This record gives sequence, structure tokens and C-alpha cells, in this order.
Amino acid sequence: EAGVAQSPRYKIIEKRQSVAFWCNPISGHATLYWYQQILGQGPKLLIQFQNNGVVDDSQLPKDRFSAERLKGVDSTLKIQPAKLEDSAVYLCASRVPGQVNYLAFGSGTRLTVV
Amino acid sequence: GDSVTQMEGPVTLSEEAFLTINCTYTATGYPSLFWYVQYPGEGLQLLLKATKADDKGSNKGFEATYRKETTSFHLEKGSVQVSDSAVYFCAAKSNTGNQFYFGTGTSLTVIP
Repeated sequence: EAGVAQSPRYKIIEKRQSVAFWCNPISGHATLYWYQQILGQGPKLLIQFQNNGVVDDSQLPKDRFSAERLKGVDSTLKIQPAKLEDSAVYLCASRVPGQVNYLAFGSGTRLTVV
Repeated sequence: GDSVTQMEGPVTLSEEAFLTINCTYTATGYPSLFWYVQYPGEGLQLLLKATKADDKGSNKGFEATYRKETTSFHLEKGSVQVSDSAVYFCAAKSNTGNQFYFGTGTSLTVIP
């Protein structure tokens, strides 16, 4: 079974520019998450989708971050305008259903804002 | 709210040494508990999991036992290898929803 796909792998932008990340979860997985992982820290939830609806976006900086999952499959996360402190790895994950739910992660997008 | 606390690193061990990485959780009820591993430049991979008290998760020589009385889920391996060098994350999932909580990670370096 194919894993969670993310692109691009790396992105370098200047502050105040905009950037978008793409994620395609494992086929059939209804719940999708975006996490921000700052160097040396654990993943921090940005937003959680159930199909194409938002379940939790309480920690998403909505003045600059937005995310969508229009058809309940792939998702995009956008930052506009970017700040230096947005430099991080952005991880997408989908929840593997079953007796014990767990998360399957993509390889992440490493964003550097200069 | 629910949270996970794990020992800070970095941890450096010689090959074949015994590994313990401590993890404790705060949650209502009985959360599911996980250890994830992250190799350089990659995403997190599930290492092992446990769902109820006294469950032992195991994989690739790693083990962790769900201790309800001490709210802990410490990761252990009897003999580490150089290839085990990575960052290890403890995580918990509430049994009342689909929120996952991660610790800050512990970096392990195994030297030959």
C-alpha cells in the first residue's frame, strides 16, 4: 500500500512570500492531519480534517495559515505571508483505522524562511 | 488537557548497550500509547503501540509496557545498534477522540 505522499521535500522562501504544501494521504483514510515540527521539538498539530470538514484548527495561525481538503482526499496547506519563525518541517499524516488507530506520516516538507 | 513528557536528550550509547527512554503521560481514562521513530530527513514511523494497562508493545527488539499505576510507557532495548540512531517520540491518543499528543523527542546516537 502506498504511503502518505508530500511535496515538495524542501522549500526556501523569503519572508513575506507565500508558499503551499501538498499532501495525498493513504487511499481511503478519512482523517488527515497537518503538523508543524520545529527543529528539536515534537510535532504540533495545526489542523485536523475528517473527510473534507475541519475537526480541529484551534492551533492554526489563521491570520497567515490556511488549509483545505476540498474533495476529502488530498490537502494543501498555505502560508501567506511567511515569517522567519515559520521555518520548520511540515508533516502530513493520515489516521490508520482499526482496533488501534495510529498515524501514518509522510516524509514532510522542510521550509526555510530567510 | 492530555500531554506527554519524555526524557530530554541527547542520549549517546555504545553499541550493544542497554537503552531506556522514559515517557510519562497525563490523560483522562485509558489513552492508547505509542512510540514513533524519526530517522534523519524522514517522517515519523510507528515503532510500537499499546492500548491498555499492562500491554507490552514490541518491535525490532524495542519494548514498552503500559503502566497505568505510574502513567508511564518507557522504551527499552537490550542491545542497541548503530542503525538505531534516530529521534524517538512518545505519543498518546485520547480514547474520547482522534487527537494525538507527542512528546518533544529524544535523540539517540549509538557509536561503534
